[in-house]
Amino acid sequence: NAGVTQTPKFQVLKTGQSMTLQCAQDMNHEYMSWYRQDPGMGLRLIHYSVGAGITDQGEVPNGYNVSRSTTEDFPLRLLSAAPSQTSVYFCASSIGTSGGGYNEQFFGPGTRLTVL
Amino acid sequence: AQSVTQLDSHVSVSEGTPVLLRCNYSSSYSPSLFWYVQHPNKGLQLLLKYTSAATLVKGINGFEAEFKKSETSFHLTKPSAHMSDAAEYFCVVSDLGGYNKLIFGAGTRLAVHP
Repeated sequence: NAGVTQTPKFQVLKTGQSMTLQCAQDMNHEYMSWYRQDPGMGLRLIHYSVGAGITDQGEVPNGYNVSRSTTEDFPLRLLSAAPSQTSVYFCASSIGTSGGGYNEQFFGPGTRLTVL
Repeated sequence: AQSVTQLDSHVSVSEGTPVLLRCNYSSSYSPSLFWYVQHPNKGLQLLLKYTSAATLVKGINGFEAEFKKSETSFHLTKPSAHMSDAAEYFCVVSDLGGYNKLIFGAGTRLAVHP
């Protein structure tokens, strides 16, 4: 049971390039989400999904796209990278989607992205 | 709207002394509150959670937190710090919109000195 995995661990992009950050979980979790972590700001929610085929925006969605074609995978796409997207990105998953956040979210190890 | 304020960005303690990391929250309803820990270059791990049951919540590694509605606080404590406790700690509240949407505080970096 690998939990939540993310690839790559590190990535350097030039402004305007596109790329996809991969996230996968093997726990059959319904809920998956992407956060970015910036110094002094904690984690902020980018996009989330409550199940295959269903996604929605979080707090900071601009510049990012997501899709959820399977339960296991939830990739995050940067269409045209900008220096403001330099950050550490975390994927998380949890067992259900009950209101109030009762279900523990499990986090991946993160992807450190630098945009030059 | 829900929000979380961690009152200290850095806390430094000596090994064997108590730890106190302070967190205040703002919520228009009865919130779910969490503490997560992040060790250097690692992902986040849940320390403990409050979900309207007992107000004193015990977590892993000897940590505990007390929910005080009158003070809108959820401070994290540990009686005796260990070197391995050095990490960044996040106080988190669940969003009213549900679906496990979490709102994070800015974090408190805990340093433990021998």
